[in-house]
Parts: sequence; structure tokens; C-alpha cells
Amino acid sequence: GAVVSQHPSRVICKSGTSVKIECRSLDFQATTMFWYRQFPKKSLMLMATSNEGSKATYEQGVEKDKFLINHASLTLSTLTVTSAHPEDSSFYICSARRAGVHNEQFFGPGTRLTVL
Amino acid sequence: AQSVTQPDIHITVSEGASLELRCNYSYGATPYLFWYVQSPGQGLQLLLKYFSGDTLVQGIKGFEAEFKRSQSSFNLRKPSVHWSDAAEYFCAVGNNDMRFGAGTRLTVKP
Repeated sequence: GAVVSQHPSRVICKSGTSVKIECRSLDFQATTMFWYRQFPKKSLMLMATSNEGSKATYEQGVEKDKFLINHASLTLSTLTVTSAHPEDSSFYICSARRAGVHNEQFFGPGTRLTVL
Repeated sequence: AQSVTQPDIHITVSEGASLELRCNYSYGATPYLFWYVQSPGQGLQLLLKYFSGDTLVQGIKGFEAEFKRSQSSFNLRKPSVHWSDAAEYFCAVGNNDMRFGAGTRLTVKP
């Protein structure tokens, strides 16, 4: 159990377009999901915390109008990169928190975004 | 604020040699601690985790880690490294929001 999927795994888009990335908890309900960004050869940086049915909480320095997060159900959160630019190219990873004694997070496999 | 430090950016060991990857954390309470491994272009794989209890934690692939509160450390160890262990290793701390160290790249020499 505790599987998290992301779709797509890889996407290439033109500069100026918007891209939506989905994060799903396949076998558990997640009231909270997290979005991370990873630059090449760098660590994961938390971008935002997504709570089901409410607005996401963004980390300092993350543009909320550029990275739109929606968490409309207990198993799905989406990250939309709006008006993408080459500097938005990155590896985006989501995680979902499963309710329990330790409220453990489970990570998705990541989405590679390349903006041309 | 919570933070994680992995002092070693890159480590090279010979196959069959022992390994220790260092991790120090700063956290206001008893931390949840994790070690993840990431191969190039791949997602994260959880190696082991510490929530409470026994401070020596056993993980997958023969890895173990020891939580030392007095040193604020959670170092990862493996007695005999295999070539397939070459990857990036991340230490992480937290629960409600997780913070990652900068990572340590492990190279294994034949």
C-alpha cells in the first residue's frame, strides 16, 4: 500500500504555454499533499503544501500565480505551471501524507518538465 | 526552523568497503528522520526512517542508520558497498513539512 503516482512522467512544452501535473494517492486518502522541485544535481525544495478543499500554502519565494495548486479531492492534487519559461524546467516531485500514527509522507516518481 | 546538513557532497568508496554518510539536523522537537536514495532521472526510494524507539534503524538493501540525539546526527551506514549502490543519497527531517539535505553523491570504484 501507500502508492503515489504522477502524470505525466515527462513533458516538453513551448515557452508561454501552461502545463498541468497530476499527483494521485492510489490506495489511500491524503488530506495533505506536498509539491517539491528539484534542479539538476540539487536537493528537493518544498514549494507548497496542498490541503484538500482549501488554498495551498506556498513557501517563501514561490510564485503562487505561476504555480497553481489544486487539491479538489482526497486522492488528487494538481500543479499547473502557467506561462512556462525555460527557467521553469525542472524535476517536480509530489508527496502525499497518509493519516496515521506518524502521518507519513509517500513520494511520487516525479515529473520531468522541459520548457523550450 | 528545521534544517538538514549533509557535509559530504561527494564520496567515493571501493566496492566491498564500508560506507558512512553523514547527516546532521536542527529541529525543535524529537525529529522524524529519513534517508532516501535517488538514481539518475528517477524518483526517491525510502531506505529507512526513524520515528521513535530503538535508535539503530535497519533499512532496505543492507543499510542502517543510528540516531544520536546528543550529536543531532542520523548517519547512514553499510558494511559492504555494492556497485549498484552508486546514487544520490538524501537525508530528510520533519513530518508536517519535510526538509531535505543537499545530498551526497556516492561513487563506487570497482
